[in-house]
Amino acid sequence: QVQLVQSGAEVKKPGASVKVSCKASGYTFTSYDINWVRQATGQGLEWMGWMNPNSGNTGYAQKFQGRVTMTRNTSISTAYMELSSLRSEDTAVYYCARATFNWFDPWGQGTLVTVSS
Amino acid sequence: DIQMTQSPSSLSASVGDRVTITCQASQDISNYLNWYQQKPGKAPKLLIYDASNLETGVPSRFSGSGSGTDFTFTISSLQPEDIATYYCQQYDNLSYTFGQGTKLEIK
Repeated sequence: QVQLVQSGAEVKKPGASVKVSCKASGYTFTSYDINWVRQATGQGLEWMGWMNPNSGNTGYAQKFQGRVTMTRNTSISTAYMELSSLRSEDTAVYYCARATFNWFDPWGQGTLVTVSS
Repeated sequence: DIQMTQSPSSLSASVGDRVTITCQASQDISNYLNWYQQKPGKAPKLLIYDASNLETGVPSRFSGSGSGTDFTFTISSLQPEDIATYYCQQYDNLSYTFGQGTKLEIK
């Protein structure tokens, strides 16, 4: 079945970077965009950006431009999201999701990133 | 960027009730509007895509309608397992936005 499996929880200090992975299985990895969405505790969903695994092309939400980088390794069907210059407000669960046309399905299980000194 | 206004932010209803959530876009998005259900500690789950299409395996008590700027999500007969937070999501010009969410509780 189509599945996205993300890397485990991370604890980072302010100013550091974090890189979250998202391994795809059950479909052709290069045929669908991967999007990243985050959710702070008790808050709503916030879209961060997309990546085309075939071309490597990316598009980022304005809020994250300059701080986020989305990449992939097609040989292992894995997408990555790296967020730099972390601050406490970046503490959240980060999700990857496959985009089919304009909707997201399925989603990864989520990765908790905690930013704390 | 397109803004999505979702209402209400919370809703309390009884089992068997008809429940309606609305989402308004700040500009015309055609039918590029999707609805998700999120239960505590879980990833969101797609329920409705392109405003009115029911995702495979989703119970028929869920439905969606609308186009342009105004959209509606309906649960025809609320069940205990429907307790969750619901989000709308729009797509426009390679950018996506979610509504603020509606937390649904049982009365």
